[in-house]
Amino acid sequence: GAGVSQSPSNKVTEKGKDVELRCDPISGHTALYWYRQSLGQGLEFLIYFQGNSAPDKSGLPSDRFSAERTGGSVSTLTIQRTQQEDSAVYLCASSHITDTQYFGPGTRLTVL
Amino acid sequence: RKEVEQDPGPFNVPEGATVAFNCTYSNSASQSFFWYRQDCRKEPKLLMSVYSSGNEDGRFTAQLNRASQYISLLIRDSKLSDSATYLCVVNGPTGYSTLTFGKGTMLLVSP
Repeated sequence: GAGVSQSPSNKVTEKGKDVELRCDPISGHTALYWYRQSLGQGLEFLIYFQGNSAPDKSGLPSDRFSAERTGGSVSTLTIQRTQQEDSAVYLCASSHITDTQYFGPGTRLTVL
Repeated sequence: RKEVEQDPGPFNVPEGATVAFNCTYSNSASQSFFWYRQDCRKEPKLLMSVYSSGNEDGRFTAQLNRASQYISLLIRDSKLSDSATYLCVVNGPTGYSTLTFGKGTMLLVSP
């Protein structure tokens, strides 16, 4: 079946601009996660959605970062007023509750 | 202390070699443990879960020592296709379903 998809695959933006990254989870998966991976660094947890529960936002690095999940499916990660340190690969994953997380291919964000 | 620590490597080994990766974690409340594999410029993929009794999947063996908060991965008879970065992963710290990743250990298998 179809895996997790993300768009765009690459995004180049100028410092100060807002960006939106999209994630389509595997159909039927109730949990959705956002991570980011900077060059030479491990994956950093950002935010977690589970069903209709309030999201776990504990990993968001600043209030410039926000995410929504509409209808329990597609999610959008928004970064406002982007900074150069936001440059990273943003990975989305989905799973059934407490089950294996399946990752999408990621969005490579470059802030100039 | 970092939450999940791994030797960054790279580990350079010839085909057929046995290689071991070690990992320590700081959250004693963690209950789930995994090894993920990440190929260059690709997303991480689950290699295997790690159970308290230890578990094996073909050439791969994973061990967990809760008392020492230590996880290991052993690869026997390594293949060229095993070249990748191996990520040690534990659940937490914020809840059961969130995961904390180590930075990974790079493995390079040469002919």
